Amino acid sequence: NAGVMQNPRHLVRRRGQEARLRCSPMKGHSHVYWYRQLPEEGLKFMVYLQKENIIDESGMPKERFSAEFPKEGPSILRIQQVVRGDSAAYFCASSLSGTGLTDTQYFGPGTRLTVL
Amino acid sequence: GEDVEQSLFLSVREGDSSVINCTYTDSSSTYLYWYKQEPGAGLQLLTYIFSNMDMKQDQRLTVLLNKKDKHLSLRIADTQTGDSAIYFCAEGGSGGYNKLIFGAGTRLAVHP
Repeated sequence: NAGVMQNPRHLVRRRGQEARLRCSPMKGHSHVYWYRQLPEEGLKFMVYLQKENIIDESGMPKERFSAEFPKEGPSILRIQQVVRGDSAAYFCASSLSGTGLTDTQYFGPGTRLTVL
Repeated sequence: GEDVEQSLFLSVREGDSSVINCTYTDSSSTYLYWYKQEPGAGLQLLTYIFSNMDMKQDQRLTVLLNKKDKHLSLRIADTQTGDSAIYFCAEGGSGGYNKLIFGAGTRLAVHP
Protein backbone atom coordinates (compact mmCIF):
# COMPACT_ATOMS: atom_id res chain seq x y z
CA ASN A 1 0.00 0.00 0.00
CA ALA A 2 2.14 2.82 -1.32
CA GLY A 3 2.09 6.12 0.47
CA VAL A 4 2.20 9.56 -1.06
CA MET A 5 4.97 9.74 -3.62
CA GLN A 6 6.82 12.83 -4.69
CA ASN A 7 9.46 13.30 -7.31
CA PRO A 8 12.05 14.36 -7.71
CA ARG A 9 13.29 14.22 -4.14
CA HIS A 10 15.92 16.83 -4.87
CA LEU A 11 15.85 19.43 -7.61
CA VAL A 12 18.47 22.00 -8.47
CA ARG A 13 17.63 24.89 -10.76
CA ARG A 14 19.37 28.07 -11.82
CA ARG A 15 17.62 31.39 -11.44
CA GLY A 16 15.12 31.92 -14.24
CA GLN A 17 14.51 28.24 -14.95
CA GLU A 18 11.29 26.35 -14.36
CA ALA A 19 10.70 23.79 -11.63
CA ARG A 20 8.09 21.04 -11.87
CA LEU A 21 7.27 19.08 -8.77
CA ARG A 22 5.11 15.95 -8.94
CA CYS A 23 2.90 14.34 -6.37
CA SER A 24 1.07 11.03 -6.61
CA PRO A 25 -1.50 10.73 -3.83
CA MET A 26 -2.23 7.58 -1.91
CA LYS A 27 -4.42 5.10 -3.73
CA GLY A 28 -8.04 6.15 -3.51
CA HIS A 29 -7.26 9.69 -2.38
CA SER A 30 -8.68 12.47 -4.51
CA HIS A 31 -7.68 15.47 -2.38
CA VAL A 32 -4.22 16.98 -2.57
CA TYR A 33 -2.59 19.74 -0.56
CA TRP A 34 0.75 21.44 -1.22
CA TYR A 35 2.82 23.02 1.55
CA ARG A 36 6.15 24.82 1.55
CA GLN A 37 8.72 24.60 4.32
CA LEU A 38 11.42 27.24 4.45
CA PRO A 39 14.59 26.38 6.40
CA GLU A 40 14.01 26.23 10.16
CA GLU A 41 10.30 26.98 9.76
CA GLY A 42 7.02 25.12 9.87
CA LEU A 43 4.98 24.19 6.84
CA LYS A 44 2.90 26.85 5.15
CA PHE A 45 -0.22 25.97 3.19
CA MET A 46 -0.07 26.79 -0.51
CA VAL A 47 -2.95 25.17 -2.37
CA TYR A 48 -5.71 22.60 -2.04
CA LEU A 49 -6.90 20.68 -5.08
CA GLN A 50 -9.40 18.02 -5.95
CA LYS A 51 -9.35 16.19 -9.25
CA GLU A 52 -9.46 18.83 -11.99
CA ASN A 53 -10.35 21.61 -9.53
CA ILE A 54 -8.44 24.15 -7.50
CA ILE A 55 -10.41 24.62 -4.28
CA ASP A 56 -8.20 27.04 -2.36
CA GLU A 57 -5.03 28.69 -3.64
CA SER A 58 -4.89 31.40 -1.00
CA GLY A 59 -1.36 30.41 0.03
CA MET A 60 0.12 30.50 -3.44
CA PRO A 61 2.16 33.48 -4.59
CA LYS A 62 0.17 35.32 -7.23
CA GLU A 63 2.88 35.14 -9.84
CA ARG A 64 5.08 32.35 -11.18
CA PHE A 65 3.36 29.58 -9.20
CA SER A 66 0.64 27.29 -10.50
CA ALA A 67 -0.78 23.92 -9.56
CA GLU A 68 -2.93 21.32 -11.21
CA PHE A 69 -4.39 17.93 -10.43
CA PRO A 70 -5.60 16.40 -13.68
CA LYS A 71 -8.12 13.62 -14.03
CA GLU A 72 -5.29 11.23 -14.82
CA GLY A 73 -1.79 11.44 -13.47
CA PRO A 74 -0.06 13.19 -10.61
CA SER A 75 -0.61 16.63 -9.20
CA ILE A 76 1.95 19.14 -10.47
CA LEU A 77 3.29 22.23 -8.74
CA ARG A 78 4.98 24.45 -11.27
CA ILE A 79 7.28 27.35 -10.47
CA GLN A 80 8.31 29.51 -13.39
CA GLN A 81 11.40 31.73 -13.46
CA VAL A 82 12.63 30.50 -10.09
CA VAL A 83 14.44 32.85 -7.72
CA ARG A 84 16.71 32.05 -4.77
CA GLY A 85 13.86 32.71 -2.35
CA ASP A 86 11.99 29.73 -3.82
CA SER A 87 14.56 27.38 -2.30
CA ALA A 88 12.61 25.28 0.17
CA ALA A 89 11.15 21.86 0.79
CA TYR A 90 7.80 21.37 -0.91
CA PHE A 91 5.51 18.80 0.61
CA CYS A 92 2.43 17.24 -0.84
CA ALA A 93 -0.27 15.63 1.28
CA SER A 94 -3.31 13.65 0.26
CA SER A 95 -6.56 12.74 1.96
CA LEU A 96 -9.50 10.55 1.21
CA SER A 97 -11.99 13.37 1.47
CA GLY A 98 -12.00 17.05 2.34
CA THR A 99 -13.94 16.92 5.58
CA GLY A 100 -14.34 14.75 8.64
CA LEU A 101 -11.99 12.11 9.93
CA THR A 102 -11.31 10.83 6.44
CA ASP A 103 -9.64 14.12 5.60
CA THR A 104 -6.59 13.23 7.67
CA GLN A 105 -3.62 14.21 5.56
CA TYR A 106 -0.76 11.89 4.78
CA PHE A 107 2.44 13.51 3.65
CA GLY A 108 4.95 12.62 1.01
CA PRO A 109 8.72 12.75 1.58
CA GLY A 110 8.97 16.19 -0.02
CA THR A 111 10.95 17.74 -2.86
CA ARG A 112 13.89 19.85 -1.81
CA LEU A 113 14.34 22.63 -4.32
CA THR A 114 17.62 24.49 -4.46
CA VAL A 115 17.91 27.55 -6.66
CA LEU A 116 21.45 28.55 -7.54
CA GLY B 1 -5.47 35.62 12.06
CA GLU B 2 -4.64 31.97 12.47
CA ASP B 3 -1.49 31.22 14.37
CA VAL B 4 0.09 28.20 16.04
CA GLU B 5 3.01 28.60 18.42
CA GLN B 6 5.41 26.11 19.89
CA SER B 7 8.58 26.28 21.90
CA LEU B 8 11.50 25.62 19.57
CA PHE B 9 13.66 23.24 21.52
CA LEU B 10 13.38 20.54 24.18
CA SER B 11 16.12 18.35 25.62
CA VAL B 12 15.35 15.29 27.74
CA ARG B 13 17.17 12.31 29.13
CA GLU B 14 16.48 8.88 27.73
CA GLY B 15 13.74 7.18 29.74
CA ASP B 16 12.21 10.42 30.99
CA SER B 17 8.90 11.84 29.77
CA SER B 18 8.84 14.62 27.19
CA VAL B 19 6.12 17.23 27.09
CA ILE B 20 5.79 19.40 24.01
CA ASN B 21 3.41 22.34 24.21
CA CYS B 22 1.46 24.23 21.58
CA THR B 23 -0.99 27.12 21.56
CA TYR B 24 -3.36 27.98 18.74
CA THR B 25 -5.72 30.81 18.00
CA ASP B 26 -8.50 29.46 15.78
CA SER B 27 -11.30 28.33 18.11
CA SER B 28 -13.23 26.88 15.17
CA SER B 29 -10.57 24.26 14.47
CA THR B 30 -12.10 20.82 14.37
CA TYR B 31 -8.99 18.71 14.69
CA LEU B 32 -5.56 19.16 16.19
CA TYR B 33 -2.66 17.06 15.05
CA TRP B 34 0.84 16.11 16.02
CA TYR B 35 3.28 15.24 13.26
CA LYS B 36 6.87 14.03 13.56
CA GLN B 37 9.61 14.94 11.10
CA GLU B 38 12.96 13.20 11.08
CA PRO B 39 15.94 14.82 9.33
CA GLY B 40 15.49 14.97 5.58
CA ALA B 41 12.15 13.19 5.72
CA GLY B 42 8.49 14.02 5.32
CA LEU B 43 5.95 14.36 8.07
CA GLN B 44 4.64 11.32 9.87
CA LEU B 45 1.21 11.62 11.48
CA LEU B 46 1.59 10.65 15.14
CA THR B 47 -1.82 11.31 16.54
CA TYR B 48 -4.78 13.67 16.41
CA ILE B 49 -7.54 14.81 18.71
CA PHE B 50 -11.02 16.12 18.03
CA SER B 51 -11.69 19.55 19.43
CA ASN B 52 -14.47 18.20 21.65
CA MET B 53 -12.09 15.85 23.46
CA ASP B 54 -9.90 16.61 26.47
CA MET B 55 -7.45 13.77 26.26
CA LYS B 56 -6.35 10.97 23.99
CA GLN B 57 -3.89 8.22 24.80
CA ASP B 58 -2.14 6.08 22.23
CA GLN B 59 0.54 3.78 23.62
CA ARG B 60 3.40 6.05 24.78
CA LEU B 61 1.67 9.19 23.53
CA THR B 62 -0.80 11.27 25.51
CA VAL B 63 -2.46 14.34 24.03
CA LEU B 64 -4.10 16.88 26.29
CA LEU B 65 -6.35 19.63 24.97
CA ASN B 66 -7.46 22.66 26.94
CA LYS B 67 -9.93 24.25 24.58
CA LYS B 68 -10.62 27.20 26.85
CA ASP B 69 -6.94 28.21 26.82
CA LYS B 70 -6.39 26.90 23.27
CA HIS B 71 -3.49 24.84 24.57
CA LEU B 72 -2.42 21.46 23.27
CA SER B 73 0.30 19.21 24.61
CA LEU B 74 1.97 15.98 23.57
CA ARG B 75 3.50 13.79 26.24
CA ILE B 76 5.88 11.04 25.20
CA ALA B 77 6.45 8.50 27.96
CA ASP B 78 9.77 6.67 28.31
CA THR B 79 11.43 8.81 25.65
CA GLN B 80 13.94 6.97 23.47
CA THR B 81 16.75 8.18 21.22
CA GLY B 82 14.59 7.23 18.25
CA ASP B 83 12.13 9.89 19.35
CA SER B 84 14.66 12.61 18.50
CA ALA B 85 12.99 14.63 15.76
CA ILE B 86 11.02 17.81 15.12
CA TYR B 87 7.43 17.69 16.33
CA PHE B 88 4.83 19.86 14.65
CA CYS B 89 1.51 20.84 16.08
CA ALA B 90 -1.18 21.65 13.49
CA GLU B 91 -4.76 22.78 13.57
CA GLY B 92 -7.30 22.15 10.88
CA GLY B 93 -10.91 21.75 9.93
CA SER B 94 -12.10 25.32 10.09
CA GLY B 95 -13.55 26.75 6.90
CA GLY B 96 -15.20 23.48 5.96
CA TYR B 97 -12.12 21.60 4.84
CA ASN B 98 -8.85 20.62 6.33
CA LYS B 99 -6.25 23.25 5.49
CA LEU B 100 -3.61 22.70 8.14
CA ILE B 101 -1.95 25.53 10.02
CA PHE B 102 1.39 24.43 11.43
CA GLY B 103 3.55 25.64 14.24
CA ALA B 104 7.25 26.18 13.64
CA GLY B 105 8.08 22.84 15.25
CA THR B 106 9.76 21.74 18.46
CA ARG B 107 13.11 20.05 18.08
CA LEU B 108 13.33 17.21 20.62
CA ALA B 109 16.82 16.04 21.56
CA VAL B 110 17.11 12.87 23.61
CA HIS B 111 20.40 12.26 25.36
CA PRO B 112 21.66 9.28 27.34
